[in-house]
Amino acid sequence: KAGVTQTPRYLIKTRGQQVTLSCSPISGHRSVSWYQQTPGQGLQFLFEYFSETQRNKGNFPGRFSGRQFSNSRSEMNVSTLELGDSALYLCASSLGTTATNEKLFFGSGTQLSVL
Amino acid sequence: DAKTTQPNSMESNEEEPVHLPCNHSTISGTDYIHWYRQLPSQGPEYVIHGLTSNVNNRMASLAIAEDRKSSTLILHRATLRDAAVYYCLRSYRDDKIIFGKGTRLHILP
Repeated sequence: KAGVTQTPRYLIKTRGQQVTLSCSPISGHRSVSWYQQTPGQGLQFLFEYFSETQRNKGNFPGRFSGRQFSNSRSEMNVSTLELGDSALYLCASSLGTTATNEKLFFGSGTQLSVL
Repeated sequence: DAKTTQPNSMESNEEEPVHLPCNHSTISGTDYIHWYRQLPSQGPEYVIHGLTSNVNNRMASLAIAEDRKSSTLILHRATLRDAAVYYCLRSYRDDKIIFGKGTRLHILP
């Protein structure tokens, strides 16, 4: 079974631009959650999608958004990029929602650099 | 506070057991304890989780204190490939997954 796939692996953008990251979950998984990882703040929860609906959201500004498609693939978008958005963005998939204490399967992440 | 408390770093010799502690003093009765680890240049990977009794799987064992305010992840025979950051999480509080800073485990050959 293929794992969680995130594309692209690396991305370089400039301030003010927007970016879209993609996540393909493990086949059969319906939940996708997103995280930002930085050396200073560690791993921080962004949001979770289940069956195309956002279930909950972390403490991030509205510039961070996401969506999930009917095939469970998910995208996250960051608009008006700031230098502080430079981070590793990880997605994880699971069979059910996080409320059911399902195992999370993480992708390798997208490393975003904002110049 | 939904976060857990772990030592910043630990060292262990190769082929010896490793005990990684975690404090979760405000845990509620229905909160699970989860452990994940993150190897260099990879996303976190699931290690083990449990509720009350001790749990074992092929990767590790989880020992949960009787009052559930602390737990210990046990790697029975550490290898160099076990060098990673280990994260202890309470049950996904309010459905939001909160990672702490984790413990960076160094394995000495």
